[in-house]
Amino acid sequence: EADIYQTPRYLVIGTGKKITLECSQTMGHDKMYWYQQDPGMELHLIHYSYGVNSTEKGDLSSESTVSRIRTEHFPLTLESARPSHTSQYLCASSGIEKLFFGSGTQLSVL
Amino acid sequence: RKEVEQDPGPFNVPEGATVAFNCTYSNSASQSFFWYRQDCRKEPKLLMSVYSSGNEDGRFTAQLNRASQYISLLIRDSKLSDSATYLCVVSLSGGYNKLIFGAGTRLAVHP
Repeated sequence: EADIYQTPRYLVIGTGKKITLECSQTMGHDKMYWYQQDPGMELHLIHYSYGVNSTEKGDLSSESTVSRIRTEHFPLTLESARPSHTSQYLCASSGIEKLFFGSGTQLSVL
Repeated sequence: RKEVEQDPGPFNVPEGATVAFNCTYSNSASQSFFWYRQDCRKEPKLLMSVYSSGNEDGRFTAQLNRASQYISLLIRDSKLSDSATYLCVVSLSGGYNKLIFGAGTRLAVHP
């Protein structure tokens, strides 16, 4: 089983709030990713990191930001949540052999 | 046009049936190919990588046709537990860098 954890699993929050989605992995992977997925739709890469202090934007534009201060930790922040941010956010990390996903955070912004 | 296209289904099949999923990709420079399985409201999990020569893992067989930019997944002797969405995934740079996911094909296996 993968050692990658996301919290919270579900988050319901009001418009305008600042939120941080947590993602941690204990596998020592340098590469980490954030994907966004709407129901019945494909995953879209919104951020990725190839190591500490390295972050890049993905293919899908997102108002969120990320940081990578420690290898094991890759949090995603929304400064002011809006209903359009409602989606599932999946964190992943990759080693040589495969890509591991966390169980995801289902975000609902009211 | 999407970079990775799949028939969304659903494919409704009885237990024991053989079912095949197809996937096409638009970028001829794609280097790595995978099939992932995603259960409802869960994270995707790697089912199998797809190699140029084709590969088999138990009841699952994957094929790659680079000339036609086409990937397939064959499931033999379907089980109820095979019910899920199957995602076709492509990487341009090889390995797991910046994977591009298809929207998935939904499979429902019934008794």
